[in-house]
Amino acid sequence: NAGVMQNPRHLVRRRGQEARLRCSPMKGHSHVYWYRQLPEEGLKFMVYLQKENIIDESGMPKERFSAEFPKEGPSILRIQQVVRGDSAAYFCASSGGAGSYTFGSGTRLTVV
Amino acid sequence: AQKITQTQPGMFVQEKEAVTLDCTYDTSDPSYGLFWYKQPSSGEMIFLIYQGSYDQQNATEGRYSLNFQKARKSANLVISASQLGDSAMYFCAMREFQTGANNLFFGTGTRLTVIP
Repeated sequence: NAGVMQNPRHLVRRRGQEARLRCSPMKGHSHVYWYRQLPEEGLKFMVYLQKENIIDESGMPKERFSAEFPKEGPSILRIQQVVRGDSAAYFCASSGGAGSYTFGSGTRLTVV
Repeated sequence: AQKITQTQPGMFVQEKEAVTLDCTYDTSDPSYGLFWYKQPSSGEMIFLIYQGSYDQQNATEGRYSLNFQKARKSANLVISASQLGDSAMYFCAMREFQTGANNLFFGTGTRLTVIP
């Protein structure tokens, strides 16, 4: 009965490279949320997805960031052409729709 | 306006004492939920306790209780009998159920240090 699985746990990218962050929700959960946590700050909502659909992307930067949750496989948060300011912890949460959220352990992205 | 305000950047408490972490919220939605999460130095987000806006009683979970004062729009977390392992960042969060937003709004957190 695994919880929300995020990988990798740590990711280092050079400026200009692409970062791909993966999230497998809890079994039975069909709602996935991505949050970003900058150093010494709280979590900020980025995007909410259900299988094959983006429901709310109001927190996503307009450029370079995209997310998907395919019919099969994990949800992916993709950051193209990373910059130093993208360095942060990225958390995925899943829910079964009843309002409770389970968070993964996060992916710590460092852009060098 | 901030939806969640945590005014205490850092708090210290003596081991075995109780501590209250403050949280105020701002919403016009009549139906909402309030959450507290713990983030230890290892970085994961651990759910602690939940309070619904229509719940008549304050939520409790073991050593955690939520002092919910709806008229004041506050949802303070009380940790009783503090332990060294309670040292962590604590985040208050809110979800609004009727606005259609599905995400949580987080405060900036309070860093709790338990002193032996």
